[in-house]
Amino acid sequence: GAGVSQSPRYKVTKRGQDVALRCDPISGHVSLYWYRQALGQGPEFLTYFNYEAQQDKSGLPNDRFSAERPEGSISTLTIQRTEQRDSAMYRCATGAGGSRTDTQYFGPGTRLTVL
Amino acid sequence: AQSVTQPDIHITVSEGASLELRCNYSYGATPYLFWYVQSPGQGLQLLLKYFSGDTLVQGIKGFEAEFKRSQSSFNLRKPSVHWSDAAEYFCAVAGSLASYDKVIFGPGTSLSVIP
Repeated sequence: GAGVSQSPRYKVTKRGQDVALRCDPISGHVSLYWYRQALGQGPEFLTYFNYEAQQDKSGLPNDRFSAERPEGSISTLTIQRTEQRDSAMYRCATGAGGSRTDTQYFGPGTRLTVL
Repeated sequence: AQSVTQPDIHITVSEGASLELRCNYSYGATPYLFWYVQSPGQGLQLLLKYFSGDTLVQGIKGFEAEFKRSQSSFNLRKPSVHWSDAAEYFCAVAGSLASYDKVIFGPGTSLSVIP
């Protein structure tokens, strides 16, 4: 497809389990962002990649959260030992260049529910 | 660090009426400013952005925004609202002084349109 895709679209897991959320960027896009969006709130920055390099991970809440983009394309956000407070919509966005001024193209998100 | 506020949580307008959504930012210089729209169940889509130059910016779908340095504002406007404009609107800001800075999103304004 032409847009950013994310999988799974919905994920229900039990507390303590690990989850992996996938983002497929628009082909050729350099930058990739992960956000977390609570209901009724704006996207909250988690981390950012330029190509395969993780440029900024200051938004990751704690060390249970990690992200990778090993070949500069697909990215995975992993949450270990999930907690109920991790429940949220997780969104991926990509940009054509490596600049904050680029238009960010958002995926549909993964709705994570931790029971 | 930069921050952004959207004073109105929810706004209701009649179809055909004019619209103004407020956005205020905090930053030590002129930031980069964005407006995104999120329709129900969809990802965010860029409406317009401002970096420098003409303070009145035209965007897609008939939207415009005006940067006012004296008021630290970047309000979004549309002369005549259509029912399809009902959505969540997010103002966002990124710092302009460093070589890189993340984009910070506001909490959003939910727009309802009355037929």
